[in-house]
Amino acid sequence: GENVEQHPSTLSVQEGDSAVIKCTYSDSASNYFPWYKQELGKRPQLIIDIRSNVGEKKDQRIAVTLNKTAKHFSLHITETQPEDSAVYFCAARTTDPRFGGTSYGKLTFGQGTILTVHP
Amino acid sequence: SAVISQKPSRDICQRGTSLTIQCQVDSQVTMMFWYRQQPGQSLTLIATANQGSEATYESGFVIDKFPISRPNLTFSTLTVSNMSPEDSSIYLCSSGSTDTQYFGPGTRLTVL
Repeated sequence: GENVEQHPSTLSVQEGDSAVIKCTYSDSASNYFPWYKQELGKRPQLIIDIRSNVGEKKDQRIAVTLNKTAKHFSLHITETQPEDSAVYFCAARTTDPRFGGTSYGKLTFGQGTILTVHP
Repeated sequence: SAVISQKPSRDICQRGTSLTIQCQVDSQVTMMFWYRQQPGQSLTLIATANQGSEATYESGFVIDKFPISRPNLTFSTLTVSNMSPEDSSIYLCSSGSTDTQYFGPGTRLTVL
């Protein structure tokens, strides 16, 4: 099955700096890669996602890059703010033979990165 | 995006008892998913709930321990049976389109 590794486990930056979180995946059939932000005591919130037919996607201060050959993808946050402090999870979705080879949203998550942005 | 609600939001239970968690989605969805998140950990998929058929369980999770119902396209329940302190965790349901997946607020379960 799919295995997703996420690094670093903790990341501390100063306000205004950039933050980068990296993930690698094992299944070359994976085709969808979302990122979630989870604040303490809250549900995971989807912040950005990318599909395997795209190399980069940007949404304001957040961007995700995908390298299918190397099987890794990264989250980039620019101009960080204290409210960016949270746990960030990457995930990968692959086709599932139990559902006729379709994906149907079965996600494998990375271990998470605790991001702290110091004012 | 799908709006997902869960009940209860938290509970404290005695070992050996069972708890049923409800998940409601504001639109019809094909798949609903149940995850477990232990303190400070990532999300682990328990099972996928299909409407009109039995749930599909991930390795390490069995139907006798975590029976799931999916009576229609907007609702599912997860029961944690014969609970032990090791079952203390946050349980989250999730759903969405075939791509995008959204989460409910979670149920924080403490087993004494």
